[in-house]
Amino acid sequence: DIQMTQSPSALSASVGDRVTITCRASQTFNNYLNWYQQKPGTAPKLLIYAASNLQSGVPSRFSGSGSGTEFTLTITSLQPEDVATYFCQQTYSLPYTFGQGTKLEIK
Amino acid sequence: EVQLVQSGAAVTRPGEFLKISCEALGYSFAKYWIGWVRQMPGEGLEWMGVIYPGDSFTTYNPSFEGQVTISADRSTNTASLQWTSPKASDSAMYYCIRQEGLKLGAFDLWGQGTLVTVSS
Repeated sequence: DIQMTQSPSALSASVGDRVTITCRASQTFNNYLNWYQQKPGTAPKLLIYAASNLQSGVPSRFSGSGSGTEFTLTITSLQPEDVATYFCQQTYSLPYTFGQGTKLEIK
Repeated sequence: EVQLVQSGAAVTRPGEFLKISCEALGYSFAKYWIGWVRQMPGEGLEWMGVIYPGDSFTTYNPSFEGQVTISADRSTNTASLQWTSPKASDSAMYYCIRQEGLKLGAFDLWGQGTLVTVSS
């Protein structure tokens, strides 16, 4: 199985800050990397697919980049509604696996 | 509106058959893989398996194979997840998902979740 490791596990930042979350894979693959946002008490929602493609309806302050074994999710100007847990996921090989999550809070 | 609508919270006893469902609305059910993701309380996300309703081909995460059965009914556009003998450790939130091949398999649609409680 491909292991996905996110860092940090938790993050506190101020409104307007630039926030970066990193996801590392245990083996290299193409851009079969997705990011999800899960707000408390709700289902996850797709933010970024294929490493860098913004899902329809997602604000442009979210972006994704990376390749190989290292990928990043960036929020350019943190907003209060971005409080959530963020998960990366690989859909390159079965079984599909997720990172452990990064909990983002506002200072 | 394109959406996945899941059945309500389920409570059962250990060893008693359990089945939860997910109705696909607003898109061609037979043409997309549909599957399930488990989230234990306070934990992360685990992919359980998927089915292609067009031909009922199913693939499971080895961690769940033999423990659950995923099925799909094209007459009702409904996918299901069932346990023949659930255990207390199966208590969790379960989400159905749609997988989009054009987005390299990303899970682009999620149900609202079904909370399963297995307790004596």
